[in-house]
Amino acid sequence: EDQVTQSPEALRLQEGESSSLNCSYTVSGLRGLFWYRQDPGKGPEFLFTLYSAGEEKEKERLKATLTKKESFLHITAPKPEDSATYLCAVQGTPPKGAQKLVFGQGTRLTINP
Amino acid sequence: GAVVSQHPSRVICKSGTSVKIECRSLDFQATTMFWYRQFPKQSLMLMATSNEGSKATYEQGVEKDKFLINHASLTLSTLTVTSAHPEDSSFYICSARDGRDSPLHFGNGTRLTVT
Repeated sequence: EDQVTQSPEALRLQEGESSSLNCSYTVSGLRGLFWYRQDPGKGPEFLFTLYSAGEEKEKERLKATLTKKESFLHITAPKPEDSATYLCAVQGTPPKGAQKLVFGQGTRLTINP
Repeated sequence: GAVVSQHPSRVICKSGTSVKIECRSLDFQATTMFWYRQFPKQSLMLMATSNEGSKATYEQGVEKDKFLINHASLTLSTLTVTSAHPEDSSFYICSARDGRDSPLHFGNGTRLTVT
């Protein structure tokens, strides 16, 4: 069964203090690993898709990396507006994976000014 | 970019009544949509996969007769919570892709409160 575990559960940083969020996964053939941002009371907002080990993607202060067992979301010099819950999800290859995503429990990130 | 619209954003209903939630893909057609449920401070749990023109596929443990899904067109899926009870109170979110290998795009969710 596909599984995703995120750590830490919650993280508080000062503005400008860089850090990383972890996503460990087990999947029957990785079709894609996805990072989403979710603000309170809203649906998840797509950030990145990673397909193979060694791949990296960047967007503003965020950078996602992927290995065969885990993914990291690095946040550089964060600002208060980066505060949100960050979700990681995996999609396995068919037939078991089908088209559905399996989500981790998320990391609640708070950036203090 | 792909936009998924969900309505209503909040609904309060009395125990025993039914509630319908709509999910629309605004600028693309979606043969498949996905319905998730999220409890406070927990992750998204897939409830069912909605297939246009055919029956929905439900995840293990999800009651088909309680959570009715209809995907009547390529841009609209509905989730009806029948005979709602307080334990059905939750955040329901739909999602869809605008292509086979594109990421899932989510609606803004519906907060259901059953009193």
